[in-house]
Amino acid sequence: EAQVTQNPRYLITVTGKKLTVTCSQNMNHEYMSWYRQDPGLGLRQIYYSMNVEVTDKGDVPEGYKVSRKEKRNFPLILESPSPNQTSLYFCASSSPPSTDTQYFGPGTRLTVL
Amino acid sequence: AQKITQTQPGMFVQEKEAVTLDCTYDTSDQSYGLFWYKQPSSGEMIFLIYQGSYDEQNATEGRYSLNFQKARKSANLVISASQLGDSAMYFCAMRETMDSNYQLIWGAGTKLIIKP
Repeated sequence: EAQVTQNPRYLITVTGKKLTVTCSQNMNHEYMSWYRQDPGLGLRQIYYSMNVEVTDKGDVPEGYKVSRKEKRNFPLILESPSPNQTSLYFCASSSPPSTDTQYFGPGTRLTVL
Repeated sequence: AQKITQTQPGMFVQEKEAVTLDCTYDTSDQSYGLFWYKQPSSGEMIFLIYQGSYDEQNATEGRYSLNFQKARKSANLVISASQLGDSAMYFCAMRETMDSNYQLIWGAGTKLIIKP
């Protein structure tokens, strides 16, 4: 089954404790992206990747890192999480990027205390 | 300026009725795509329907259709014969071909509640 998976689905952590949210897709998509969703602000892009080893900042990259060592995986790293990073996070993938549908993972609900 | 505007924060609709969710967009790009996604209370983002700016026919997917009026920059989602399971948040989104981020730009969403 074609899908985007994310782990964990739910995470409660404390300020400053490094964490990684994994994202994996099995559709051989070149393009992958991370979004965060906050009430009243909609979805905003954090980082995106056009292909392996090619990543770039979206609209709200501060406090996040990503890597793309393999085509299928695109982890999101929070080196020192803060409470303002409490949000619902989505990973998405598509191919080719300009017109194709972006398929979303199930979301990761992160709470930083 | 808002690129995607959804003017209906919430709607109540009787089961089995058709419902139209409004979406207007703003772009100077000639080539773009318009998408609708559904987000149920469980949180996942489910793709519903896509319309390309050069598509002459309105897109349809089962009970979903997109009323695309390019001159008015409008891309309304029509759900025919609504069901209780259609209760969810609905988001309109756009992707501009000239956007190097290839990101989806999202509206604020419409919360649809289907009444039995």
